[in-house]
Amino acid sequence: NAGVTQTPKFRILKIGQSMTLQCTQDMNHNYMYWYRQDPGMGLKLIYYSVGAGITDKGEVPNGYNVSRSTTEDFPLRLELAAPSQTSVYFCASSSWGVTEAFFGQGTRLTVV
Amino acid sequence: GQQLNQSPQSMFIQEGEDVSMNCTSSSIFNTWLWYKQDPGEGPVLLIALYKAGELTSNGRLTAQFGITRKDSFLNISASIPSDVGIYFCAGGGATNKLIFGTGTLLAVQP
Repeated sequence: NAGVTQTPKFRILKIGQSMTLQCTQDMNHNYMYWYRQDPGMGLKLIYYSVGAGITDKGEVPNGYNVSRSTTEDFPLRLELAAPSQTSVYFCASSSWGVTEAFFGQGTRLTVV
Repeated sequence: GQQLNQSPQSMFIQEGEDVSMNCTSSSIFNTWLWYKQDPGEGPVLLIALYKAGELTSNGRLTAQFGITRKDSFLNISASIPSDVGIYFCAGGGATNKLIFGTGTLLAVQP
């Protein structure tokens, strides 16, 4: 049982480049979340989704976009990478509401 | 927006000691979750609380959902070296957002 899978695990981007962080879950969870974690800090919510076709902003959405075309996938898009987006990104999912969210292993992104 | 204040920020203890940490919020939450994060890994769920006043144990871990619904605490009894890590509280409310605290770094000296 894979749970929540994130790819890639590591990535270095140049300023202004774009990329998509992939997240997929095989637990048929309705709720999915994207967080970023800066060094020594807690997790900040970027975007979340309560089901396919529905997304909403979290605490720090600027510079990011998401889509939720299927229950399984919740990709996070960075259009114009900036050094301030250097962080570790975590995807999570839960079956319903804000209950027992399960996390992926994270994507470590560096923007130079 | 909703904020969670988690304390202490860090703890350095001897193996065998008990540990207590807590989270407080200015807002009411319907769910309190406690997670542990090891270096280079994603957070792993330890305990989930869904009802005000609820007290739940998971081995040496005990957590409580405050009756005001604005706070929660986590206790670890008889700490061992593998308890080392960062512990996060997380609260969920009517907005469907799961908000995390700032974390407590726990170091256990054998």
